[in-house]
Amino acid sequence: QSALTQPPSASGSPGQSVTISCTGTSSDIGGYNFVSWYQQHPGKAPRLMIYEVDKRPSGVPARFSGSKSGNTASLTVSGLRPEDEADYYCSSYAGSNIEVFGPGTRVTVL
Amino acid sequence: QVQLQESGPGLVKPSETLSLTCAVFGYSINRGFTWAWIRQSPERGLEWVGTIYPSGTTFYTPTLKTRVIISLDASKNQFSLNLSSVTAADTALYYCARGIRGVAAFDYWGQGTPVTVSS
Repeated sequence: QSALTQPPSASGSPGQSVTISCTGTSSDIGGYNFVSWYQQHPGKAPRLMIYEVDKRPSGVPARFSGSKSGNTASLTVSGLRPEDEADYYCSSYAGSNIEVFGPGTRVTVL
Repeated sequence: QVQLQESGPGLVKPSETLSLTCAVFGYSINRGFTWAWIRQSPERGLEWVGTIYPSGTTFYTPTLKTRVIISLDASKNQFSLNLSSVTAADTALYYCARGIRGVAAFDYWGQGTPVTVSS
């Protein structure tokens, strides 16, 4: 069982925004600013989109943004494009040198 | 360009040891950052298995801690995973990845190698 929870699905029309939540506890998301988000297309390896809550690695479009409030982190994709249709996973540092992943959210572009 | 490539048997018998290797290209594993194994299955989703620092210090997920060993070979620029006493629950796609924030934030991944545990 994942220590983090995510909605199983989310959707939006092209050009719209979609926000995915990732809820944990004060022992993981709420306790550290080490939340990451990954995008995974079918048959591909995950791609790091956000790290340390709101930092974007080089090459990730500015349409992707991250935030955190209390024990919940969020990923927002603005200006949805067809290629954004994918599974999105959050992860968080959980103390004691342990990393945990969320179960994933499937984003559909309508 | 950093590239990672997993290799190892795709089929392992129950109770035996799963052994995988990750070759790293375009970056020296001694130079910095950390190196991790992550697995994915329909039942368990993405699961961090463990991380090794260039110093050789390792950290493992608690549920696998008694069965897993991650090691690195700087001379070959690769690191390895050994998971003992495997069961069907260890059947998964195994990824190796580079961590840029200790045990967190994996920016480069291998393509993944499927491992099935079956007699």
